[in-house]
Amino acid sequence: GESVGLHLPTLSVQEGDNSIINCAYSNSASDYFIWYKQESGKGPQFIIDIRSNMDKRQGQRVTVLLNKTVKHLSLQIAATQPGDSAVYFCAENLASFGAGTTVTVRA
Amino acid sequence: KAGVTQTPRYLIKTRGQQVTLSCSPISGHRSVSWYQQTPGQGLQFLFEYFSETQRNKGNFPGRFSGRQFSNSRSEMNVSTLELGDSALYLCASSLGSSGGANEQFFGPGTRLTVL
Repeated sequence: GESVGLHLPTLSVQEGDNSIINCAYSNSASDYFIWYKQESGKGPQFIIDIRSNMDKRQGQRVTVLLNKTVKHLSLQIAATQPGDSAVYFCAENLASFGAGTTVTVRA
Repeated sequence: KAGVTQTPRYLIKTRGQQVTLSCSPISGHRSVSWYQQTPGQGLQFLFEYFSETQRNKGNFPGRFSGRQFSNSRSEMNVSTLELGDSALYLCASSLGSSGGANEQFFGPGTRLTVL
C-alpha cells in the first residue's frame, strides 16, 4: 500500500545549528503534507503544512520543502534550540504518518 | 479556548474485555480523528468523524469502532481486546472544512494497557 516514511530514525544536532529532517512518500496523488512535533508525554503538535501546488513554505524558524518529482519532503529548523528536542513526524493528508525521527539537541 | 481533552488518560484492561475512550474537541471543531500510536509504528489512522458521520476510515479490524455526537464529542470503542491493542490512542480535532487541509489539534492521548 501507499506509505509515508522518514529516512532516519534519529538525528543529533548541536545547539545553534540547522536541522534537516527528511521524509519520502510513495503516493504521487497526495496533495497535502504536514509536519508534526511530539514531545515526550504529549500529543503531536502541528508545525507546518504544505499543499502540492507549492514547493516551499516558511514558518517561524521552520521551512518545509516539497519535491514532487522524487516524492520527497523535508523540514528545516533554523538555529536549533534545546526545546526542539522531540520526535518529528511527516504526514500525508491526515491519515498516513511516518514512524518519526527523534531529534536530540546537544548543548 | 480549551484544548482537546481525552478521558481517561490511563486505562488497564485484560484480554477479551472492551473499552470506550472519549474525546472532547476544541469548541467549534466538527472533525474528530482517532489514531493509534505504538513504539516503532508511528501514528496509525483509525477513523475520522465529521458532523456525526464517519468520513474516513483506516485499515483496522471491525473491533475498532467509533461515533460522534451532535456536540462533536467522540468516542471510540475497542471490543475483544488483544495484547497488541496496547497503545497510546490519540484524538485530534479540526474545523474539518472540505479539502481536508485543516490544522489538527491533538489531545494528550489515552494510554491503554492490555494484560
